[in-house]
Amino acid sequence: GAGVSQTPSNKVTEKGKYVELRCDPISGHTALYWYRQSLGQGPEFLIYFQGTGAADDSGLPNDRFFAVRPEGSVSTLKIQRTERGDSAVYLCASSHPGTSSYNEQFFGPGTRLTVL
Amino acid sequence: DAKTTQPTSMDCAEGRAANLPCNHSTISGNEYVYWYRQIHSQGPQYIIHGLKNNETNEMASLIITEDRKSSTLILPHATLRDTAVYYCIVRPNFGNQFYFGTGTSLTVIP
Repeated sequence: GAGVSQTPSNKVTEKGKYVELRCDPISGHTALYWYRQSLGQGPEFLIYFQGTGAADDSGLPNDRFFAVRPEGSVSTLKIQRTERGDSAVYLCASSHPGTSSYNEQFFGPGTRLTVL
Repeated sequence: DAKTTQPTSMDCAEGRAANLPCNHSTISGNEYVYWYRQIHSQGPQYIIHGLKNNETNEMASLIITEDRKSSTLILPHATLRDTAVYYCIVRPNFGNQFYFGTGTSLTVIP
């Protein structure tokens, strides 16, 4: 079946603009995660959804970052008033609690965000 | 808060076993050891995980010391496609997220 997909693959924006990044998880996966990866670093946790609700948003760096998952499937990460320091690859992952593969998070290819 | 220490980089000859070490001296009793890898420009990929027993799957073997303070990921016959950054992670089972750290950059040499 299809894996996790993310759109767009690349996004270039100007400082101060608003951006939305989309994640389509694997069908049936109720858990969804957003991570951010800066150059030369490992992925950094941002937020975790279980179904429609954000079960843990402790990794969001500030209130410019927000994520939604209104129907428990597709998720959108929203960044307001973008700053140059927001430039990174944003990764989405999904998993299916209650199955033997729960602990395996399936990652998408990421969206590379560049803020000029 | 990665909780693990890994060498920054390693080389391995193609066809030989790649042994990637990880120190996790502060691991607690309910925390598992996970390994993921990330090939350039791709998302991380799950490899294996374990609690205290050694584990093996089609990709690799995981050897965890008896005191659980360190572990080794073994790729038995490394190929050029195994060149990637390998992340050792500890977290409670069914935890919410992974703390990746900076990992080990493995280069498989022809």
